Amino acid sequence: KNQVEQSPQSLIILEGKNCTLQCNYTVSPFSNLRWYKQDTGRGPVSLTIMTFSENTKSNGRYTATLDADTKQSSLHITASQLSDSASYICVVWENTGFQKLVFGTGTRLLVSP
Amino acid sequence: NAGVTQTPKFQVLKTGQSMTLQCAQDMNHNSMYWYRQDPGMGLRLIYYSASEGTTDKGEVPNGYNVSRLNKREFSLRLESAAPSQTSVYFCASSESTLMGGYHQPQHFGDGTRLSIL
Repeated sequence: KNQVEQSPQSLIILEGKNCTLQCNYTVSPFSNLRWYKQDTGRGPVSLTIMTFSENTKSNGRYTATLDADTKQSSLHITASQLSDSASYICVVWENTGFQKLVFGTGTRLLVSP
Repeated sequence: NAGVTQTPKFQVLKTGQSMTLQCAQDMNHNSMYWYRQDPGMGLRLIYYSASEGTTDKGEVPNGYNVSRLNKREFSLRLESAAPSQTSVYFCASSESTLMGGYHQPQHFGDGTRLSIL
């Protein structure tokens, strides 16, 4: 079964520090991977998308990386802010048909003052 | 900028009751989706509508029905609620399924928190 595994499940960091969230997937055939941010009580919001040919993509303080050979992606957050406290969800698109998305369970990040 | 609006935000039902969750988007998107989110699990697709006039089953459709009322609105109905359907339900929309080789991002509402006793 195609899966998306995220680690760690939860993380607490001090404001201003950096952190890296991991996403490992077994989805095949792979098309692309997207990171979403979900604030508590809100719906997910897209942060960035990675296709199989891209290695790195940045969106402000967020930098996503992708290694399609090892089927791993990471989301690096630089100079964390309190507003970064949220769940971060990795979603992989299985390229077999319409909207075959496989969602990870997310990493819950808490940025502490 | 409303985006995707879901109603109600919270609901408590008794087992066997029925209800309809409403969803509307104002972005002129063609595709709409219903997901459920449960603790410790990723979002799971219940039903989707690729375009106005079409609906298809997702990963977990049992116990649910949907209606794509028009391009803006996509409703989810529970005919006979069961405790296993206690969850947070998210509606989402996207411009289309594929554009320029990229999977289009889905825009989510803020969810309906449904408890079934």
